[in-house]
Order: sequence, then structure tokens, then C-alpha cells
Amino acid sequence: QLQLQESGPELVKSSETLSLTCTVSGGSVSNSVYYWGWIRQPPGKGLEWIGTIYYSGSTYYNPSLKSRVTISVDTSKNQFSLKLSSVTAADTAVYYCARHSGGNYKRAFDYWGQGTLVTVSS
Amino acid sequence: EIVLTQSPGTLSLSPGERATLSCRASQSISSNYLAWYQQKPGQAPRLLIYSASSRATGIPDRFSGSGSGTDFTLTISRLEPEDFAVYYCQQYGNSPFTFGPGTKVAIK
Repeated sequence: QLQLQESGPELVKSSETLSLTCTVSGGSVSNSVYYWGWIRQPPGKGLEWIGTIYYSGSTYYNPSLKSRVTISVDTSKNQFSLKLSSVTAADTAVYYCARHSGGNYKRAFDYWGQGTLVTVSS
Repeated sequence: EIVLTQSPGTLSLSPGERATLSCRASQSISSNYLAWYQQKPGQAPRLLIYSASSRATGIPDRFSGSGSGTDFTLTISRLEPEDFAVYYCQQYGNSPFTFGPGTKVAIK
């Protein structure tokens, strides 16, 4: 059974860089069928797609965050990561990693991590 | 960017009743790449429907999706107690991928 697990600091200071890692088990980030994404959800609010990566390193970002986001993949560790720079209180959210359902990055998200709440403090 | 509007905001129903949720897009969604997710408090979203009308693996057949272009519907034929949750639609045909604001299905 595929499992995804987010990890990283739960508290980040304003203006610093948020860094999270998603560890994949029960499957491989190197599987050429799948793409891997990050989505966030501010407390009590809706969902926002942040970006997506392929095992080759190809990335696709939401233009609203593109200038601050970097997503990378480490196939040797079966992980992919998110960095969001210059954070503000508006970046406080539950961050989810997820898998696109296959064949293309234009696919729904069929497996999700449990999510991790990251709070930006001043 | 495609904006998704969901209605109603809250749907108050009793177990056994039929639920009809609407998702409208600001422009036509390419290839009808529209998904529905269910989210319960403290949990990650769960994929229910993809490509507007295909049920994801393990999803009961009381969940069905329909629609095309800009208008889509999720129907739950007979609500079970575990179906009371928030439902989101998402379009993934055009980047950036976007989600609707959600419809809460509440117990009446």
C-alpha cells in the first residue's frame, strides 16, 4: 500500500524559508508513470495546489507561488521536497504531499499524506 | 486561472437522503478533467471521482459524478453516516490546478 509522509519544522519564522520533505513508502518516486505534488490548506479554508514534480526533475508550479517555490526530488531516498521562501503569516497552512494518479501531471491526486501544519511566526 | 464555484455552501440532509452538489467553472475544463474529493476533519482529502464521472478505486457506487464543460455534479444517492463531510471539486485540465471552496454536507 502506497504511503506518503510529510516531515519538517512545524514552526517557521517570518521571512525565512519553509522546508518540507515527503517520504514515499510502498512505491517509488522513480516510477515513470507518476508525478508528485504539494498542496496546502490554510486553517479552516480551501485547498491550493503549490506544484508538481516528475522523477526526472521536471517541475510545474502555481504561478501565484512560483517566485518563492522550489520542488526537488531525491530518488535515492525515495523522497521529494518543498521549499517556500520569504514566508509570511499567509503561508500558515497544513501542507500535503500527494501523488497524481498516473501517466501525466494533469491527473487527479489519488494518494495523499496525512498533512503537516506549518505555522509562520513573527 | 479557472475559478471553481461550488453550491450550496452547506447542505443539511438526513441519512438516507439524496445529496446533489454542484461545481461550476469560469471556463470550459479541458478533457473534463474534474475531480471530487471528500474531506473529514483532521484528515487529508480522499479522491472520489476523476474525469468528471469515473469512480476512484474502492469508492462505493452511491457516489456518482456527471457533467461536462463548465457544469459538474456530484450525487450521493443515499447518505450514509460516514458521508457527512466537506466535498471539494478540482480541475486539473489547465494549469494552475484549482479547487472549489467546498460544500459541507451536514446532518439535519
